[in-house]
Amino acid sequence: DGGITQSPKYLFRKEGQNVTLSCEQNLNHDAMYWYRQDPGQGLRLIYYSQIVNDFQKGDIAEGYSVSREKKESFPLTVTSAQKNPTAFYLCASGRQSANQPQHFGDGTRLSIL
Amino acid sequence: AQSVTQPDIHITVSEGASLELRCNYSYGATPYLFWYVQSPGQGLQLLLKYFSGDTLVQGIKGFEAEFKRSQSSFNLRKPSVHWSDAAEYFCAVGARSGGSNYKLTFGKGTLLTVNP
Repeated sequence: DGGITQSPKYLFRKEGQNVTLSCEQNLNHDAMYWYRQDPGQGLRLIYYSQIVNDFQKGDIAEGYSVSREKKESFPLTVTSAQKNPTAFYLCASGRQSANQPQHFGDGTRLSIL
Repeated sequence: AQSVTQPDIHITVSEGASLELRCNYSYGATPYLFWYVQSPGQGLQLLLKYFSGDTLVQGIKGFEAEFKRSQSSFNLRKPSVHWSDAAEYFCAVGARSGGSNYKLTFGKGTLLTVNP
């Protein structure tokens, strides 16, 4: 079945450590997105990419980095510069249009050790 | 810039009762509107979407939503709630974000509790 796979489901980060969250899709979507979700805050956009080898900062990009080397993959790195990384991270993909819905993975929960 | 407001943070209804979740948006052009549902620890699932045409749209799981341009609203309704509807609900507006880039802007969500 087509869909979006996020891994791992749970991730723990030590102080000063970078960690990478994986997101893979087999929906043949051009656009991919990373969101951060905190209780009561809704979804906030971190980075998004409309095509391979191109991406844009969202509303809260500081302390995060991404790459888009393949259409199917859009990994997110949470760097040590992100001082409050504990959150639920959601990856989504969609067609390159405002009137197209986004499809979501099941998320990765990141916690600090 | 577009924005979405969901005025109710938490709503509790009894099973079998009707439900209406409110959503107000701000956007200068014709909005593309979506409702998503999220179960605890899961991703978001699309319930329904509005692009144009009929202002009453039907979705999955017996949900419907009505677009009212004059009120900048896109409220979600269900005539009879089931215990399995307990979840968090998000309203979103889709818009161009510059050049050929597009993104969704989400409200902060409404948590629905269903009493037996």
